[in-house]
Amino acid sequence: GENVEQHPSTLSVQEGDSAVIKCTYSDSASNYFPWYKQELGKRPQLIIDIRSNVGEKKDQRIAVTLNKTAKHFSLHITETQPEDSAVYFCAAYTSGGSNYKLTFGKGTLLTVNP
Amino acid sequence: DSGVTQTPKHLITATGQRVTLRCSPRSGDLSVYWYQQSLDQGLQFLIQYYNGEERAKGNILERFSAQQFPDLHSELNLSSLELGDSALYFCASSVESTGELFFGEGSRLTVL
Repeated sequence: GENVEQHPSTLSVQEGDSAVIKCTYSDSASNYFPWYKQELGKRPQLIIDIRSNVGEKKDQRIAVTLNKTAKHFSLHITETQPEDSAVYFCAAYTSGGSNYKLTFGKGTLLTVNP
Repeated sequence: DSGVTQTPKHLITATGQRVTLRCSPRSGDLSVYWYQQSLDQGLQFLIQYYNGEERAKGNILERFSAQQFPDLHSELNLSSLELGDSALYFCASSVESTGELFFGEGSRLTVL
């Protein structure tokens, strides 16, 4: 089955700096890669996603890159703000035939220090 | 608001008891997923249903069971509860063709 590794598990940056979170996946059939942000005590919310036919996607201060050959994808947050502090989860989605499965990484706790 | 409704929001019970958590997916979503999140832990996949049928199973204990009803709402039953079952249980629904999950607010279970 699919295995998603996420690094680092914790990340602390100064306000205004950039943050990068990296994930690798094992199943070459995975074709959809979402990123979720979870604030303390709240539900995970989708912040950005990318499909396997795209190499990069950007939404304001957030960008995601995908390298299908190397089976890794990354989340980039620029000009970080204290409200970016949260746990971020990457995931890989496999669909095909009767197999539909979303596998999450273990999460990265991002702390943005004012 | 994700459109996914979970009840109850909070539940406190004792060891050995049984509880039922309920989830109503977004209108039109056929897939329902259940996840367990313990303190400082990631999202542990429990089980997935698609249009009433079990689609995938994760790390779900034998003491736990779930089902999806014809109206597409789902219930997660937790029995013979132990202290370690205390966690936040999330339900999510999706349009299966896209893979995007929409999470409910979660049900926080405390076992004393």
